[in-house]
Amino acid sequence: QSVLTQPPSVSGAPGQRVTISCTGSSSNIGAGYDVHWYQQLPGTAPKLLIYGNSNRPSGVPDRFSGSKSGTSASLAISGLQAEDEADYYCQSYDSSLSGYVFGTGTKVTVL
Amino acid sequence: EVQLVESGGVVVQPGGSLRLSCAASGFTFDDYAMHWVRQAPGKGLEWVSLISWDGGSTYYADSVKGRFTISRDNSKNSLYLQMNSLRAEDTALYYCAKGGGYGDSQEYFDYWGQGTLVTVSS
Repeated sequence: QSVLTQPPSVSGAPGQRVTISCTGSSSNIGAGYDVHWYQQLPGTAPKLLIYGNSNRPSGVPDRFSGSKSGTSASLAISGLQAEDEADYYCQSYDSSLSGYVFGTGTKVTVL
Repeated sequence: EVQLVESGGVVVQPGGSLRLSCAASGFTFDDYAMHWVRQAPGKGLEWVSLISWDGGSTYYADSVKGRFTISRDNSKNSLYLQMNSLRAEDTALYYCAKGGGYGDSQEYFDYWGQGTLVTVSS
């Protein structure tokens, strides 16, 4: 059972803005550990989308943005496009588990 | 271009053993920590293990501790995962992932292989 909780699904029309939450606790996000985000298109390997809470790797569109506050983090997708339909996962480190943890995952659907 | 290519996934009986390999190219392999991450069919991602750049430090998820061993051969740009005492719940797609940071608590995974499927079944 994951220690980082995400909504199972979010949806939006093309062009809209959607946000995905990642809720943790005082042993992971709340302890100051960075949050990273991954996009997994159907049938493919995960791809790094955001690292260090809010940094985009080269090649990731600026439509994707990340933030962190307290024991939670968020991924925002603005100007939603059909190609953004995928599963999204947050990731951090947990001091109680002494290991890296992923969120439960969120499926984004473009209506 | 960074490439990670996993191999070794097969169908194995419960209690059996298996060794996964990951061939890396396109970056200076011995500069980075490496990881194994798995994904059970239809499920989410689970971090499995980390090895430091020089192989001197290894870490494991509680679910595999004592059964799995991670190793690397920097002369061959290769990462390995020895899996013993396999259980049905180890059935998953196993990804090799490159560490994007310093292999510490702020680590993330900046490149992933395509995965190799391990099925534990009698």
